[in-house]
Amino acid sequence: DGGITQSPKYLFRKEGQNVTLSCEQNLNHDAMYWYRQDPGQGLRLIYYSQIVNDFQKGDIAEGYSVSREKKESFPLTVTSAQKNPTAFYLCASKNPFYGYTFGSGTRLTVV
Amino acid sequence: AQSVTQLGSHVSVSEGALVLLRCNYSSSVPPYLFWYVQYPNQGLQLLLKYTTGATLVKGINGFEAEFKKSETSCHLTKPSAHMSDAAEYFCAVSDDFGSEKLTFGTGTRLTIIP
Repeated sequence: DGGITQSPKYLFRKEGQNVTLSCEQNLNHDAMYWYRQDPGQGLRLIYYSQIVNDFQKGDIAEGYSVSREKKESFPLTVTSAQKNPTAFYLCASKNPFYGYTFGSGTRLTVV
Repeated sequence: AQSVTQLGSHVSVSEGALVLLRCNYSSSVPPYLFWYVQYPNQGLQLLLKYTTGATLVKGINGFEAEFKKSETSCHLTKPSAHMSDAAEYFCAVSDDFGSEKLTFGTGTRLTIIP
């Protein structure tokens, strides 16, 4: 079955550490996205990529970095510059005709 | 810029009662509008989408929404609530179907009372 796989489901980070969240899709979608979800705030766009080797900042890109070396993969790195990284992170891809497909998310907690 | 307002961060209804979740958008141009459902620690699942055409849109799981341009609203309804409907619901808009940016509301958590 086609879909988006996010791993790990739960992730713990120590202060000052960088962590990378994985997002893989086998839907053959060109566009991929990273959203951050906080309670009571809905989803906010971090980064998106419309094509391999290209990506753009979203509304809250500070403290995050991404790469898009393969069509199937769009990993997100939460750097130590992100002062409040505890959140639920959702990856999505998009088909221009059918819209967005979301992964099941990664919950990141700073310990 | 688009904005989306979901009235009521928490809504409780009895099993079998009508579900009404409210969504208003701010745009002079009718947007593309989506309703998503999220179960705990899961991703978002598309319930329905409004693009063009008929203003009453039927989605999955018995949900439907009526797009009202004059009221800049697209409220989500279901005639009879089921326990399995307990989840968080998000309204989202984009300027066009190909837009790279979805603007989400803050969500409404639906609780079903047995």
